[in-house]
Amino acid sequence: DGGITQSPKYLFRKEGQNVTLSCEQNLNHDAMYWYRQDPGQGLRLIYYSQIVNDFQKGDIAEGYSVSREKKESFPLTVTSAQKNPTAFYLCASGGSGASTDTQYFGPGTRLTVL
Amino acid sequence: EDQVTQSPEALRLQEGESSSLNCSYTVSGLRGLFWYRQDPGKGPEFLFTLYSAGEEKEKERLKATLTKKESFLHITAPKPEDSATYLCAVQPTSGGYNKLIFGAGTRLAVHP
Repeated sequence: DGGITQSPKYLFRKEGQNVTLSCEQNLNHDAMYWYRQDPGQGLRLIYYSQIVNDFQKGDIAEGYSVSREKKESFPLTVTSAQKNPTAFYLCASGGSGASTDTQYFGPGTRLTVL
Repeated sequence: EDQVTQSPEALRLQEGESSSLNCSYTVSGLRGLFWYRQDPGKGPEFLFTLYSAGEEKEKERLKATLTKKESFLHITAPKPEDSATYLCAVQPTSGGYNKLIFGAGTRLAVHP
């Protein structure tokens, strides 16, 4: 089955820790995205990648880092520099952006700071 | 500044009571408008894409329409399983990539 997987579903972080969220897709999409969702707010873009080995900051990239070594994978690291990391994190994939391409979302990872 | 506003924030309906959700947007140019459905604790599920004013799309009890300033998601004779948060997003012509700007969503509850 084609789709997007995210792991883990729930993640707990202690103060000062870095944690990595996994995102894998088998839809053969060029572009991948990371969003953050907070209650009462729209999804906000953290990072995006239009092609392997290239990625760009979104609107709220501070305290986060990513890599794109394979087309299928786009992991997100939440560093200790992110002061308020508790949120629902969503990974998406879609076309490369040359035209209007739908973004398809994974099931999400809920991160909680202890 | 590009902006998307959804209203109402929350809507409670009785089963069979039709209604509409609104998505107002301000963008310099619109490439596309997207509707998603999101169940609690899950990722958004794609519903529709609209590209130009006057366009309509339907899926089961849902119909999405688009004007130059807003989009409506009409729900006809809703059932309890239609309860979810509905998200609207616009893709502006500027930005250089497949940028989406999301509204905060409308939480719909349909009661039997």
